[in-house]
Amino acid sequence: AQSVAQPEDQVNVAEGNPLTVKCTYSVSGNPYLFWYVQYPNRGLQFLLKYITGDNLVKGSYGFEAEFNKSQTSFHLKKPSALVSDSALYFCAVRGHGHIPTFGRGTSLIVHP
Amino acid sequence: GAVVSQHPSRVICKSGTSVKIECRSLDFQATTMFWYRQFPKQSLMLMATSNEGSKATYEQGVEKDKFLINHASLTLSTLTVTSAHPEDSSFYICSARWGQGGRFDTQYFGPGTRLTVL
Repeated sequence: AQSVAQPEDQVNVAEGNPLTVKCTYSVSGNPYLFWYVQYPNRGLQFLLKYITGDNLVKGSYGFEAEFNKSQTSFHLKKPSALVSDSALYFCAVRGHGHIPTFGRGTSLIVHP
Repeated sequence: GAVVSQHPSRVICKSGTSVKIECRSLDFQATTMFWYRQFPKQSLMLMATSNEGSKATYEQGVEKDKFLINHASLTLSTLTVTSAHPEDSSFYICSARWGQGGRFDTQYFGPGTRLTVL
């Protein structure tokens, strides 16, 4: 079975500060990991994914995520947060041949 | 990235009527599409997996006779909420699978449909 945990319901950060949204996972074999963002009343937008290779994955809108195999984590990061980054963020994990499992989401609030 | 459209974006209907929601992959062929339901401030709940040319696979607890799914072509899947009731009011999101089963297998999501049943 595969699972993903987003331990924080909400993350608050001041504009211009770095942000981190946490995600840990459990899966058999090599993981495929994803981050999506959802703005109010919208579907999910794909941000980035990890398949293999470099542990630091760069994605859309200046976001990046760091894959850490020993800690089974895939935290989303951005060096300098914008107010417009405020949204709901979902982490997902997929084992080979499986349908992705999504986390419960983390609400990111960036204060001016 | 790949584009998935959903129509309508918002629908209001009377209790007892049926509502059809369309999901289209605009720039790729999707042999598999997924339908999710999302309640306010909650995560996605997978309702069913729709495979082109075959019957959908429903998750436990989802009534297949109430939520009819048809995947008639590689670019179109429809969800029909039959005899809708107020408790069916929700945000329904579809996604289409690109890169079937391979390393680059990724889901792309539609913009969602807000269903309100009066």
